[in-house]
Amino acid sequence: SQKIEQNSEALNIQEGKTATLTCNYTNYSPAYLQWYRQDPGRGPVFLLLIRENEKEKRKERLKVTFDTTLKQSLFHITASQPADSATYLCALEAGFQKLVFGTGTRLLVSP
Amino acid sequence: NAGVTQTPKFRILKIGQSMTLQCTQDMNHNYMYWYRQDPGMGLKLIYYSVGAGITDKGEVPNGYNVSRSTTEDFPLRLELAAPSQTSVYFCASSYSGLAEQHYEQYFGPGTRLTVT
Repeated sequence: SQKIEQNSEALNIQEGKTATLTCNYTNYSPAYLQWYRQDPGRGPVFLLLIRENEKEKRKERLKVTFDTTLKQSLFHITASQPADSATYLCALEAGFQKLVFGTGTRLLVSP
Repeated sequence: NAGVTQTPKFRILKIGQSMTLQCTQDMNHNYMYWYRQDPGMGLKLIYYSVGAGITDKGEVPNGYNVSRSTTEDFPLRLELAAPSQTSVYFCASSYSGLAEQHYEQYFGPGTRLTVT
């Protein structure tokens, strides 16, 4: 069966460290993968897209990798700040302009 | 631009009642989506639309209906509310054209619905 897995346990890190979140999937062959941020009581906000032929994508303090052999994406936030505390959702392409979402990982950055 | 707006923000329904969740976007996006999000679960696609007059079922369409008479509006209808429909509902939109395609989705703030 098709599955997208993100760590359901919250990730707690100290300010200034690098946060690394994982997204694993099975029985999908996505043309691209996206990461979204979701704050409590709000809708998800798009952060980054990475295509199947790209290994890595960066945007300011964010970095995403995509390994189609391992069927895994890693999402990194460098020099993390308390304001980065949120839930981060991984989403795979599941048909033209359609996405399937993981359950998200909550990140808590303490001062 | 207001982006994607949803009304109401909160609603409590009794079992068997009906209601329409409103969604409007002002970005001239052709694609629109309805998702539901339950605690500890990912967003599940209910219905989507590729343009005015065209809608299609997503992963969890049972108990819902949609229409898309204009580019801007994509209402979601619950005909006979059931406790299993208690959830947070998000509307989203995206754009894809012949000349360019954008795959990111823009989400509204959500409607928190409780059915008792």
